[in-house]
Amino acid sequence: GAVVSQHPSRVICKSGTSVKIECRSLDFQATTMFWYRQFPKKSLMLMATSNEGSKATYEQGVEKDKFLINHASLTLSTLTVTSAHPEDSSFYICSAPLTGADTQYFGPGTRLTVL
Amino acid sequence: EDQVTQSPEALRLQEGESSSLNCSYTVSGLRGLFWYRQDPGKGPEFLFTLYSAGEEKEKERLKATLTKKESFLHITAPKPEDSATYLCAVLSGSSNTGKLIFGQGTTLQVKP
Repeated sequence: GAVVSQHPSRVICKSGTSVKIECRSLDFQATTMFWYRQFPKKSLMLMATSNEGSKATYEQGVEKDKFLINHASLTLSTLTVTSAHPEDSSFYICSAPLTGADTQYFGPGTRLTVL
Repeated sequence: EDQVTQSPEALRLQEGESSSLNCSYTVSGLRGLFWYRQDPGKGPEFLFTLYSAGEEKEKERLKATLTKKESFLHITAPKPEDSATYLCAVLSGSSNTGKLIFGQGTTLQVKP
């Protein structure tokens, strides 16, 4: 099966700092990757669609200047939470489909805690 | 508007007690329906993709079925290790972005 990794798995930072989360497709190339946010005991909320070689597409209500997405290569997308605040604390998960396929494979998630 | 509703929200079973989880959907042309398993603190793990009504897929104690309005995830003789949250998602045929619409999930607890 397709494998997606995320780094780091956990991060704790101070309010006002920026945090970068990496999402990598390990055994396949992904022209598209998706970034989700998940609150406790809630389902996944799509934040943005990351496209290799072009700008990310953000969902309504998601601040693009706060959540910077860069799809640097066919195997790497990064999410940077800028000037993080406690309300940004959450579980962030990325996913990627195999090229030409519909099934999305998810990373293990990154737990962000902002103090 | 595309929508996915899962029921029940939570389900407690005794080990060996078979049951079914429901995923009802309304979508403008179903391109695919997906089942995932999510353990606490982890990302969703892919289980099944179903494309058309009447299709069935099995994996160990799990069997997923699909009709034109809903999907069922049947769990036969569950074990404690089957305890997890099961997520259902659909992909609309009108989508050109690959965006999945998720249900709220069913949290399954299997007691020994």
